[in-house]
Amino acid sequence: GAVVSQHPSRVICKSGTSVKIECRSLDFQATTMFWYRQFPKQSLMLMATSNEGSKATYEQGVEKDKFLINHASLTLSTLTVTSAHPEDSSFYICSARDVGGGSYNSPLHFGNGTRLTVT
Amino acid sequence: QKEVEQNSGPLSVPEGAIASLNCTYSDRGSQSFFWYRQYSGKSPELIMFIYSNGDKEDGRFTAQLNKASQYVSLLIRDSQPSDSATYLCAAINQAGTALIFGKGTTLSVSS
Repeated sequence: GAVVSQHPSRVICKSGTSVKIECRSLDFQATTMFWYRQFPKQSLMLMATSNEGSKATYEQGVEKDKFLINHASLTLSTLTVTSAHPEDSSFYICSARDVGGGSYNSPLHFGNGTRLTVT
Repeated sequence: QKEVEQNSGPLSVPEGAIASLNCTYSDRGSQSFFWYRQYSGKSPELIMFIYSNGDKEDGRFTAQLNKASQYVSLLIRDSQPSDSATYLCAAINQAGTALIFGKGTTLSVSS
């Protein structure tokens, strides 16, 4: 089945620094990737939709200047958390849909997630 | 904001029993619905999806969809302790552009 690779799986950084998370679709092309964030005991919240070759679409309340998204190719999207603060500590998960299966019925395939801890 | 609602649980069932997980959604334009299982600290993994009214069976799992009632359910037959996890219901929005998740139902299967 389709595989989405996310790296790193875990990162600890100091407050004020920036962290980059990579998301790759390994065996399919993804014109669109999705970035979710999940706080403990909460559901996945969509942060932004990453579009290859164009600007990302951010959900209401998500700061686009803080969470920089770059969809450089059909298989790679990156999320950079700039000037990270302790409240940004969360589980960040990317996902992509193999549109070869049709738009409505294609499930999302998730990366393994990145546990970010900002100290 | 379109919503997907789930009872957070925990839902506790004995091994071998049927576990019934329920979900309602507010966007009448939603076309497809998905059930994901998430173990603690891990990413969600797809169990099954459904887009037509009625039942869809896959092994021990049966998804049920009733678009008139805006209701989706997942039945797990012969529940096993390894089924203990959080089950996330999700719906694709009408535009087909995003997947909206419920908060999940925690299932505990005791041996």
